[in-house]
Amino acid sequence: DIQMTQSPSTLSASVGDRVTLTCRASQSISVWLAWYQQKPGKAPRLLISKASSLQTGVPSRFSGSGSGTEFTLTISSLQPDDFATYYCQQYNVYSGAFGQGTKVEIK
Amino acid sequence: VQLLDSGGDWVQPGGSLRLSCAASGFTFNRYAMSWVRRAPGKGLEWVSSISGYGDNTDYADSVKGRFTISRDNSKNTMYLQMESLRVEDTAVYYCAKVPWEYCSTGNCYFDFWGQGTVVTVSS
Repeated sequence: DIQMTQSPSTLSASVGDRVTLTCRASQSISVWLAWYQQKPGKAPRLLISKASSLQTGVPSRFSGSGSGTEFTLTISSLQPDDFATYYCQQYNVYSGAFGQGTKVEIK
Repeated sequence: VQLLDSGGDWVQPGGSLRLSCAASGFTFNRYAMSWVRRAPGKGLEWVSSISGYGDNTDYADSVKGRFTISRDNSKNTMYLQMESLRVEDTAVYYCAKVPWEYCSTGNCYFDFWGQGTVVTVSS
Protein backbone atom coordinates (compact mmCIF):
# COMPACT_ATOMS: atom_id res chain seq x y z
CA ASP A 1 0.00 0.00 0.00
CA ILE A 2 1.08 3.56 -0.65
CA GLN A 3 1.73 5.60 2.48
CA MET A 4 1.19 9.35 2.51
CA THR A 5 3.20 11.43 4.98
CA GLN A 6 2.40 15.05 5.69
CA SER A 7 4.70 17.54 7.37
CA PRO A 8 4.65 19.32 9.64
CA SER A 9 1.81 17.87 11.70
CA THR A 10 1.14 21.34 13.14
CA LEU A 11 2.12 24.70 11.75
CA SER A 12 1.81 27.94 13.70
CA ALA A 13 1.56 31.03 11.53
CA SER A 14 0.22 34.57 11.45
CA VAL A 15 -2.25 36.26 9.16
CA GLY A 16 -0.40 37.37 6.04
CA ASP A 17 2.28 34.68 6.25
CA ARG A 18 3.21 32.52 3.29
CA VAL A 19 2.93 28.90 4.36
CA THR A 20 3.95 25.69 2.65
CA LEU A 21 2.65 22.25 3.56
CA THR A 22 4.38 19.10 2.32
CA CYS A 23 3.01 15.70 1.38
CA ARG A 24 5.22 12.76 0.46
CA ALA A 25 4.17 9.47 -1.11
CA SER A 26 6.00 6.20 -0.41
CA GLN A 27 6.10 5.54 -4.15
CA SER A 28 5.42 7.53 -7.29
CA ILE A 29 1.84 8.62 -7.83
CA SER A 30 2.52 10.83 -10.87
CA VAL A 31 0.22 13.85 -10.37
CA TRP A 32 -2.74 11.99 -8.88
CA LEU A 33 -2.95 13.97 -5.68
CA ALA A 34 -5.73 16.00 -4.08
CA TRP A 35 -5.69 18.50 -1.20
CA TYR A 36 -8.59 19.10 1.19
CA GLN A 37 -9.31 21.62 3.92
CA GLN A 38 -11.35 20.68 6.98
CA LYS A 39 -12.58 22.77 9.87
CA PRO A 40 -13.90 21.25 13.11
CA GLY A 41 -17.38 19.82 12.70
CA LYS A 42 -17.48 20.65 9.01
CA ALA A 43 -17.29 18.61 5.83
CA PRO A 44 -13.92 18.40 4.10
CA ARG A 45 -13.58 20.79 1.18
CA LEU A 46 -11.70 19.91 -1.99
CA LEU A 47 -9.11 22.56 -2.81
CA ILE A 48 -6.89 21.04 -5.47
CA SER A 49 -6.91 17.97 -7.70
CA LYS A 50 -4.29 16.53 -10.05
CA ALA A 51 -1.60 18.10 -7.87
CA SER A 52 -2.11 21.66 -9.10
CA SER A 53 -5.64 22.15 -10.46
CA LEU A 54 -7.47 24.66 -8.30
CA GLN A 55 -11.15 23.88 -7.81
CA THR A 56 -13.78 26.41 -8.82
CA GLY A 57 -14.40 28.91 -6.06
CA VAL A 58 -11.15 28.26 -4.20
CA PRO A 59 -9.19 31.48 -3.62
CA SER A 60 -6.13 31.96 -5.80
CA ARG A 61 -3.89 32.30 -2.73
CA PHE A 62 -3.96 28.50 -2.64
CA SER A 63 -1.66 26.66 -5.04
CA GLY A 64 -0.37 23.14 -5.40
CA SER A 65 2.72 21.70 -7.02
CA GLY A 66 4.74 18.54 -7.34
CA SER A 67 4.79 15.18 -9.04
CA GLY A 68 6.08 11.71 -8.36
CA THR A 69 6.52 11.47 -4.61
CA GLU A 70 6.77 15.03 -3.32
CA PHE A 71 4.01 17.62 -3.29
CA THR A 72 3.35 20.99 -1.71
CA LEU A 73 0.34 23.11 -0.90
CA THR A 74 1.15 26.81 -0.57
CA ILE A 75 -1.01 29.56 0.86
CA SER A 76 0.51 32.79 -0.37
CA SER A 77 -0.97 35.07 2.29
CA LEU A 78 -2.69 33.31 5.18
CA GLN A 79 -6.17 34.63 5.95
CA PRO A 80 -8.23 34.15 9.15
CA ASP A 81 -10.53 31.73 7.29
CA ASP A 82 -7.56 29.49 6.43
CA PHE A 83 -6.89 28.20 9.94
CA ALA A 84 -7.90 24.57 9.54
CA THR A 85 -6.50 21.08 8.99
CA TYR A 86 -5.27 20.17 5.52
CA TYR A 87 -5.14 16.64 4.12
CA CYS A 88 -3.52 15.25 1.02
CA GLN A 89 -4.84 12.15 -0.76
CA GLN A 90 -3.35 10.01 -3.50
CA TYR A 91 -5.74 8.52 -6.02
CA ASN A 92 -3.29 6.72 -8.25
CA VAL A 93 -3.84 3.26 -6.87
CA TYR A 94 -5.98 1.16 -4.58
CA SER A 95 -7.56 2.72 -1.49
CA GLY A 96 -6.79 6.34 -2.23
CA ALA A 97 -4.72 6.76 0.92
CA PHE A 98 -4.89 10.02 2.85
CA GLY A 99 -2.16 11.74 4.79
CA GLN A 100 -2.54 12.29 8.52
CA GLY A 101 -3.12 16.01 8.09
CA THR A 102 -1.39 19.30 8.88
CA LYS A 103 -3.13 21.60 11.33
CA VAL A 104 -2.56 25.27 10.59
CA GLU A 105 -3.06 27.25 13.78
CA ILE A 106 -2.80 30.86 14.82
CA LYS A 107 0.61 31.86 16.10
CA VAL B 1 -24.46 20.26 -4.32
CA GLN B 2 -25.65 19.08 -0.93
CA LEU B 3 -25.00 15.76 0.77
CA LEU B 4 -26.87 14.97 3.99
CA ASP B 5 -25.56 11.89 5.75
CA SER B 6 -27.46 10.32 8.62
CA GLY B 7 -28.03 7.11 10.55
CA GLY B 8 -25.06 7.13 12.88
CA ASP B 9 -25.66 5.81 16.37
CA TRP B 10 -24.18 3.86 19.25
CA VAL B 11 -24.24 0.10 18.75
CA GLN B 12 -22.76 -2.89 20.52
CA PRO B 13 -20.03 -5.02 18.93
CA GLY B 14 -21.59 -7.49 16.52
CA GLY B 15 -24.50 -5.17 15.84
CA SER B 16 -25.79 -3.59 12.65
CA LEU B 17 -26.47 -0.11 11.40
CA ARG B 18 -27.55 1.52 8.15
CA LEU B 19 -26.26 4.89 7.08
CA SER B 20 -27.97 7.07 4.48
CA CYS B 21 -26.79 9.91 2.28
CA ALA B 22 -29.38 12.13 0.60
CA ALA B 23 -28.01 14.04 -2.36
CA SER B 24 -29.24 17.11 -4.20
CA GLY B 25 -27.98 19.72 -6.63
CA PHE B 26 -26.57 17.39 -9.29
CA THR B 27 -27.65 14.55 -11.58
CA PHE B 28 -27.22 11.76 -9.07
CA ASN B 29 -26.98 8.75 -11.39
CA ARG B 30 -24.13 10.26 -13.38
CA TYR B 31 -21.65 10.06 -10.53
CA ALA B 32 -20.05 7.46 -8.36
CA MET B 33 -20.46 7.92 -4.64
CA SER B 34 -18.31 6.80 -1.74
CA TRP B 35 -18.10 6.47 2.01
CA VAL B 36 -15.00 7.70 3.81
CA ARG B 37 -14.42 7.48 7.56
CA ARG B 38 -12.20 8.94 10.21
CA ALA B 39 -11.63 7.01 13.39
CA PRO B 40 -10.76 8.90 16.58
CA GLY B 41 -7.14 10.04 16.47
CA LYS B 42 -6.61 8.61 12.99
CA GLY B 43 -6.62 9.86 9.41
CA LEU B 44 -9.25 9.58 6.73
CA GLU B 45 -9.87 6.12 5.28
CA TRP B 46 -11.79 5.24 2.11
CA VAL B 47 -14.44 2.62 2.94
CA SER B 48 -16.49 1.86 -0.16
CA SER B 49 -17.60 3.17 -3.54
CA ILE B 50 -20.51 2.55 -5.90
CA SER B 51 -20.81 3.48 -9.56
CA GLY B 52 -23.46 5.85 -10.87
CA TYR B 53 -25.87 3.12 -11.90
CA GLY B 54 -25.01 0.93 -8.95
CA ASP B 55 -23.61 -1.93 -11.03
CA ASN B 56 -20.10 -1.73 -9.63
CA THR B 57 -19.11 -1.66 -5.98
CA ASP B 58 -15.77 -1.79 -4.18
CA TYR B 59 -14.76 -2.10 -0.56
CA ALA B 60 -11.71 -1.58 1.60
CA ASP B 61 -10.28 -4.85 2.89
CA SER B 62 -11.12 -3.77 6.44
CA VAL B 63 -14.88 -3.88 5.76
CA LYS B 64 -15.18 -6.39 2.91
CA GLY B 65 -17.81 -9.02 3.67
CA ARG B 66 -19.36 -6.95 6.48
CA PHE B 67 -20.48 -3.71 4.79
CA THR B 68 -22.74 -3.33 1.76
CA ILE B 69 -23.03 -0.14 -0.26
CA SER B 70 -26.10 0.54 -2.36
CA ARG B 71 -28.01 3.40 -3.94
CA ASP B 72 -31.56 4.25 -4.97
CA ASN B 73 -31.29 6.66 -7.88
CA SER B 74 -35.04 7.29 -7.83
CA LYS B 75 -34.58 8.77 -4.34
CA ASN B 76 -31.12 10.33 -4.91
CA THR B 77 -29.92 8.41 -1.88
CA MET B 78 -26.95 6.18 -1.09
CA TYR B 79 -26.74 3.70 1.76
CA LEU B 80 -24.16 1.80 3.75
CA GLN B 81 -25.41 -1.31 5.51
CA MET B 82 -22.95 -2.23 8.25
CA GLU B 83 -23.04 -5.69 9.81
CA SER B 84 -20.88 -7.45 12.41
CA LEU B 85 -19.65 -4.11 13.66
CA ARG B 86 -16.37 -3.99 15.55
CA VAL B 87 -14.97 -1.50 18.03
CA GLU B 88 -12.49 -0.43 15.36
CA ASP B 89 -15.38 0.65 13.10
CA THR B 90 -16.02 3.55 15.48
CA ALA B 91 -15.61 6.67 13.36
CA VAL B 92 -17.22 9.65 11.72
CA TYR B 93 -18.57 8.41 8.40
CA TYR B 94 -18.74 10.83 5.48
CA CYS B 95 -20.53 10.36 2.22
CA ALA B 96 -18.65 11.84 -0.68
CA LYS B 97 -19.30 12.49 -4.36
CA VAL B 98 -16.81 11.35 -7.00
CA PRO B 99 -16.37 13.60 -10.05
CA TRP B 100 -16.95 10.77 -12.50
CA GLU B 101 -19.22 7.75 -13.04
CA TYR B 102 -17.01 4.99 -11.65
CA CYS B 103 -14.40 4.83 -8.93
CA SER B 104 -12.36 1.63 -8.92
CA THR B 105 -11.08 0.38 -5.57
CA GLY B 106 -11.09 3.83 -4.05
CA ASN B 107 -8.61 5.40 -6.44
CA CYS B 108 -10.57 8.58 -6.95
CA TYR B 109 -10.86 11.91 -5.24
CA PHE B 110 -13.98 13.51 -3.81
CA ASP B 111 -15.32 16.87 -4.90
CA PHE B 112 -18.14 17.21 -2.37
CA TRP B 113 -18.62 15.77 1.10
CA GLY B 114 -21.36 15.44 3.67
CA GLN B 115 -21.00 16.74 7.22
CA GLY B 116 -20.49 13.26 8.63
CA THR B 117 -22.45 10.95 10.90
CA VAL B 118 -20.99 9.41 14.04
CA VAL B 119 -20.89 5.65 14.53
CA THR B 120 -19.83 4.41 17.96
CA VAL B 121 -19.29 0.69 18.51
CA SER B 122 -18.88 -0.08 22.17
CA SER B 123 -20.15 -2.40 24.84
